[in-house]
Amino acid sequence: AQKITQTQPGMFVQEKEAVTLDCTYDTSDQSYGLFWYKQPSSGEMIFLIYQGSYDEQNATEGRYSLNFQKARKSANLVISASQLGDSAMYFCAMSGGSARQLTFGSGTQLTVLP
Amino acid sequence: NAGVTQTPKFRILKIGQSMTLQCTQDMNHNYMYWYRQDPGMGLKLIYYSVGAGITDKGEVPNGYNVSRSTTEDFPLRLELAAPSQTSVYFCASSTPFRVSYNEQFFGPGTRLTVL
Repeated sequence: AQKITQTQPGMFVQEKEAVTLDCTYDTSDQSYGLFWYKQPSSGEMIFLIYQGSYDEQNATEGRYSLNFQKARKSANLVISASQLGDSAMYFCAMSGGSARQLTFGSGTQLTVLP
Repeated sequence: NAGVTQTPKFRILKIGQSMTLQCTQDMNHNYMYWYRQDPGMGLKLIYYSVGAGITDKGEVPNGYNVSRSTTEDFPLRLELAAPSQTSVYFCASSTPFRVSYNEQFFGPGTRLTVL
């Protein structure tokens, strides 16, 4: 069975500063994917970034980067130069199983302060 | 493309009533999923389908049923609604390109309250 743990229920960051959201995972699979999704207060799920278990370089997408440490089973999301619009719930997820379904963590509520 | 659409957006049910949540995707994805999200929590998988005519249970299937007669549609049926089924329901679809990569495209969600 797969498990995702997000230990930060809430985080605050000052506008224009960087913030790291923690995610650790557990799986017995050799091949897996790690995802981060953003859920604003409007409720939709927005895909941010993906990291494959065999990818040697950390993934980056604009202001988002994924700090992947395979030996430590961590996949932290780094948001650089935070903006007020980054205030949202952030979910870490892992793909696996016969249908590559996603297992989600409990989320981190990020608030960006002006 | 509309992507993944879900109807209705909101619904209030009385205990014991039944309803069907509709989900349609126009991306020709083989894989479709139903998740529920309880307040302040992450999403949990209810049912999934890897193609028309093929469905299977996820982590929390009790009280739900699904069918997949076409590639596009994946309705979720609630029988005998209970207050514990108050949640936001998300439908998602995908076409996994490799074992590890499965970006799922989510619908806007259906907010269901059972009173």
